[in-house]
Amino acid sequence: ELKVEQNPLFLSMQEGKNYTIYCNYSTTSDRLYWYRQDPGKSLESLFVLLSNGAVKQEGRLMASLDTKARLSTLHITAAVHDLSATYFCAVDPNTDKLIFGTGTRLQVFP
Amino acid sequence: DAGVIQSPRHEVTEMGQEVTLRCKPISGHDYLFWYRQTMMRGLELLIYFNNNVPIDDSGMPEDRFSAKMPNASFSTLKIQPSEPRDSAVYFCASRPYRGTGYNEQFFGPGTRLTVL
Repeated sequence: ELKVEQNPLFLSMQEGKNYTIYCNYSTTSDRLYWYRQDPGKSLESLFVLLSNGAVKQEGRLMASLDTKARLSTLHITAAVHDLSATYFCAVDPNTDKLIFGTGTRLQVFP
Repeated sequence: DAGVIQSPRHEVTEMGQEVTLRCKPISGHDYLFWYRQTMMRGLELLIYFNNNVPIDDSGMPEDRFSAKMPNASFSTLKIQPSEPRDSAVYFCASRPYRGTGYNEQFFGPGTRLTVL
C-alpha cells in the first residue's frame, strides 16, 4: 500500500525562524505536489515538482524533490505569521490519483 | 477562468434526509474527483471520473453514497439517507488530461455538511 508520511504533523514556530517539513513516500514517483490549506478554506496548489532534483521557490517557501530517496522537503525561511496554514504533500504514483499526506499544521507566532 | 465551482457552500440537514452536493469542474478538464475531509480521517478520495465515466469508487464509504457525472460540466454527490457521521467538508477537484502539463488537481471551495 502506498503511504505518504509527513512530519512533523504540528509545527509551532517563532517569526523569523527557519524550519523544514518532510514528506516521505513509499513508491516510485516522478511527480510531487505541495498544497496549502488555510483554516476553513480549500486546498491551493503551491508547487509542482516533476523530476529528481527539482527545486522550486516562492517567497519564503522552497520545495525540493529527491526521487531516489523518495523524499520531498518544504523549507520555510524567516517565517512570518501569514505562512500559518496546513501544508499537504501529494504523490502521483503514475495513476490518475494523487495520494495525500496527513498534512502539517504550521503556526507562526510573534 | 472561474475555477471549480461547488454548491451549496454550507448545508445543514437532519439525519435521514437526502443531501445532494454539486460540482462544476474547470472547463476542458477531463478528470473530476470527490474528496471528503474530516479532522479524524483527513482527506479521503471518494470517487473519480474520467470523461464523465466513474473509474474508481472504492473510497465511497457505503451504499448510501452515490455520484454521477451526466456531462462534462456537472457532477453530483448524493447521500441518502444522511447520518451524523457524514458531517464533513466535501471537496470537488478537477484536472486536465494526463500528460498535458503538470497534472495538478484544482480544488473547489468545498461544501461544509452538517448532519444533525
